[in-house]
Amino acid sequence: EVQLVESGGGLVQPGGSQRLSCVVSGFTFSKYWMSWVRQAPGKGLEWVANIKQDGSEKYYVDSVKGRFTISRDNAKNSLYLQMNSLRAEDTAVYYCARIPYYREIPDYWGQGTLVTVSS
Amino acid sequence: QSVVTQPPSASGTPGQRVTISCSGSNSNIASNSVNWYQQLPGTAPKLLIYSNNLRPSGVPDRFSGSKSGTSGSLAISGLQSEDEADYYCAAWDDSLNGPVFGGGTKLTVL
Repeated sequence: EVQLVESGGGLVQPGGSQRLSCVVSGFTFSKYWMSWVRQAPGKGLEWVANIKQDGSEKYYVDSVKGRFTISRDNAKNSLYLQMNSLRAEDTAVYYCARIPYYREIPDYWGQGTLVTVSS
Repeated sequence: QSVVTQPPSASGTPGQRVTISCSGSNSNIASNSVNWYQQLPGTAPKLLIYSNNLRPSGVPDRFSGSKSGTSGSLAISGLQSEDEADYYCAAWDDSLNGPVFGGGTKLTVL
């Protein structure tokens, strides 16, 4: 069974940092592109970042470029999102998701972890 | 403001057929497949339709999808109360190198 489990969410002050983690099981992690997608409270879905199987290619939505960094550790079946200089508008549930093939949309998603940026 | 647009709401009565449309552009829907997610309150999105008209295992055949040019649509036939949810259109965007999502359509079963 494919499983993705996020952790690391919580309350953080504006300008602060937070690191999200996603541990996967049930598939060969090193063979897949992976994504982070977020959803602000009561709002729609927004793609945040993608990373290639070996970590050699990374892409970000414009609003997080220079502030967020996606990374992975294939030996630990883990995906990460380092978030710096956080803003109130970054408040959202952050989902880790698997991309089945490059240029395809995510098929499996985790349950999400809530990040709240507030003083 | 989403790159892909869909109506914010739709409704129907039990047993009825409902369609939800989405409109994109050359960099997303025109050159890649249209996909649909269903999201129930408090849960993660669930893939409902992929590659324009394919259903993952376990998705009832009451759900169907189609694509034409820069637009796509989701049809739900034999509407049931448990279909009440948010539905999101999605497609890969070649200019972003990532997926783009519609703003979501809240489906109400009257």
